[in-house]
Amino acid sequence: AQSVTQLGSHVSVSEGALVLLRCNYSSSVPPYLFWYVQYPNQGLQLLLKYTTGATLVKGINGFEAEFKKSETSFHLTKPSAHMSDAAEYFCAVSGRYAGNMLTFGGGTRLMVKP
Amino acid sequence: NAGVMQNPRHLVRRRGQEARLRCSPMKGHSHVYWYRQLPEEGLKFMVYLQKENIIDESGMPKERFSAEFPKEGPSILRIQQVVRGDSAAYFCASSPGQFENSPLHFGNGTRLTVT
Repeated sequence: AQSVTQLGSHVSVSEGALVLLRCNYSSSVPPYLFWYVQYPNQGLQLLLKYTTGATLVKGINGFEAEFKKSETSFHLTKPSAHMSDAAEYFCAVSGRYAGNMLTFGGGTRLMVKP
Repeated sequence: NAGVMQNPRHLVRRRGQEARLRCSPMKGHSHVYWYRQLPEEGLKFMVYLQKENIIDESGMPKERFSAEFPKEGPSILRIQQVVRGDSAAYFCASSPGQFENSPLHFGNGTRLTVT
């Protein structure tokens, strides 16, 4: 069984400030972890993924995330927020050997203030 | 290379009517997943299909909901006798196989409103 918890359904930052979106997961098998972004009235776009290997993963648009097994976390960060980063962000987990079925967190809406 | 295509983008149905949602996967993709997003919530898995086969429907409500992915044509998610609680965004995703690290590609969704 798998689950994902995203702390903070809404996060507000100023333009240029650090973005930190939190994600904790639970998985009975080694996980694959994903971050997706959803802009209004659109589908989900993959930001980055962790499968195996290096635990610090770099994605598109300057985002990165670090897999910390001891903390069961996969937090998403970006050093400097841009207005165009305002969107909803979803963390997701799939279980190794379990195919591509994703379990999503509840999402975090990121707001960027000028 | 066209992405995952879903239609219609918006669908309005009155209670008791049927809703049909269509999904054409990306070219070369033979695996389709349907997810539902209720207002202010994350996406919940509904069903996973390959051509002519339902692989996993553990997330589908037992009644009124059905899905298919025929040999030819798009995948269809069908909701019979819709109720207000069915109002949600329904997303389809596709992948080329069931490789665990092959990310899903999502369509833009169909937003169903039941009046």
